[in-house]
Amino acid sequence: GDSVTQMEGPVTLSEEAFLTINCTYTATGYPSLFWYVQYPGEGLQLLLKATKADDKGSNKGFEATYRKETTSFHLEKGSVQVSDSAVYFCALSGDNFNKFYFGSGTKLNVKP
Amino acid sequence: NAGVTQTPKFQVLKTGQSMTLQCAQDMNHEYMSWYRQDPGMGLRLIHYSVGAGITDQGEVPNGYNVSRSTTEDFPLRLLSAAPSQTSVYFCASSYSTGPQETQYFGPGTRLLVL
Repeated sequence: GDSVTQMEGPVTLSEEAFLTINCTYTATGYPSLFWYVQYPGEGLQLLLKATKADDKGSNKGFEATYRKETTSFHLEKGSVQVSDSAVYFCALSGDNFNKFYFGSGTKLNVKP
Repeated sequence: NAGVTQTPKFQVLKTGQSMTLQCAQDMNHEYMSWYRQDPGMGLRLIHYSVGAGITDQGEVPNGYNVSRSTTEDFPLRLLSAAPSQTSVYFCASSYSTGPQETQYFGPGTRLLVL
């Protein structure tokens, strides 16, 4: 079945460091891929998405490219801020558009 | 718009008790769903609905019931709570289903079953 695997955290970085959070997926057909962010005490918010191979999603300095050949959707940001501290979830929506599958989440801590 | 609202924010139950988690949205979204979030396991889909009167099971439906009598509301019922149902529950909605749709999440309900 469809599934998402993302790197375990927590990830601790200093402000202005480069961020990569790895995400790989297993799916039949042509899934859509998403990154959601969860700030402390809140629900999830969509950060970015890509709906077909080679698409790049981007938002707030974050970006991720849909790589079908490596079944990956890694999240990157060139210079993190303290305000980026949150839990990041990779997710996919497969051929059954009614079902979303989430990774286990990666907690990011950014220190000043 | 209030978006997706959930009540209560926190609840403590004893094993065997029943309760209903409320979820409402004011965006006229057709699709609504319930997830549970457990440490190290991400979010897992419990039940979902593609419109009023239509519901279906997700990944972990056992122990939970849902109904969808209106477009706005999608309550989740625990008929006989068990400690394994201790979790954080999120409700989500989207305008429709499809690969381009964005899901909007409520703030969550934290449930503790003793």
